[in-house]
Amino acid sequence: DTAVSQTPKYLVTQMGNDKSIKCEQNLGHDTMYWYKQDSKKFLKIMFSYNNKELIINETVPNRFSPKSPDKAHLNLHINSLELGDSAVYFCASSLVDTQYFGPGTRLTVL
Amino acid sequence: DQQVKQNSPSLSVQEGRISILNCDYTNSMFDYFLWYKKYPAEGPTFLISISSIKDKNEDGRFTVFLNKSAKHLSLHIVPSQPGDSAVYFCAASATDSWGKLQFGAGTQVVVTP
Repeated sequence: DTAVSQTPKYLVTQMGNDKSIKCEQNLGHDTMYWYKQDSKKFLKIMFSYNNKELIINETVPNRFSPKSPDKAHLNLHINSLELGDSAVYFCASSLVDTQYFGPGTRLTVL
Repeated sequence: DQQVKQNSPSLSVQEGRISILNCDYTNSMFDYFLWYKKYPAEGPTFLISISSIKDKNEDGRFTVFLNKSAKHLSLHIVPSQPGDSAVYFCAASATDSWGKLQFGAGTQVVVTP
């Protein structure tokens, strides 16, 4: 009964490829987020959706496109992957103030 | 522009003793603060939070103190246990920021027997 789940956990791919990371939450939360943890271990927000509507869009290359088919899912699609996209990506969800995180997806671009 | 700072990258403490983790912030609009714990290859796990209308919140072995005038908060863990060994992140948000959390860089805590 995982609260926030992500697939895949590990993703290794070549530069230039397109890949997707999926996130699902079974907490009944209205808001979902994507964070990136870079090589310096900082966690930085990328996007947030509330009831399937985009509410936060940080300065992220437009190669990154979030998609929310319903309020329990927020997927992240990345086009034309670059070496600098290698990081751990975390999905999170919240009802009010407290965010609950998924286990992360480690993306390695070769 | 790091608005949340954890200036101690690591902390070593003996089992049974108190762990004190510190966090400073620069944005006076922050009104909600959280601590997360993270084990390797896992996502951050919510530990405890505090609203800016309070100066202390306690949950079992964990207590968070907030000093708004100093823009400083701390997490106390008493007594420390070996399972507390993890990276601890401080995070903050402002009411008008749609839940955008700003994270500190984290403090690695090692609890020794």
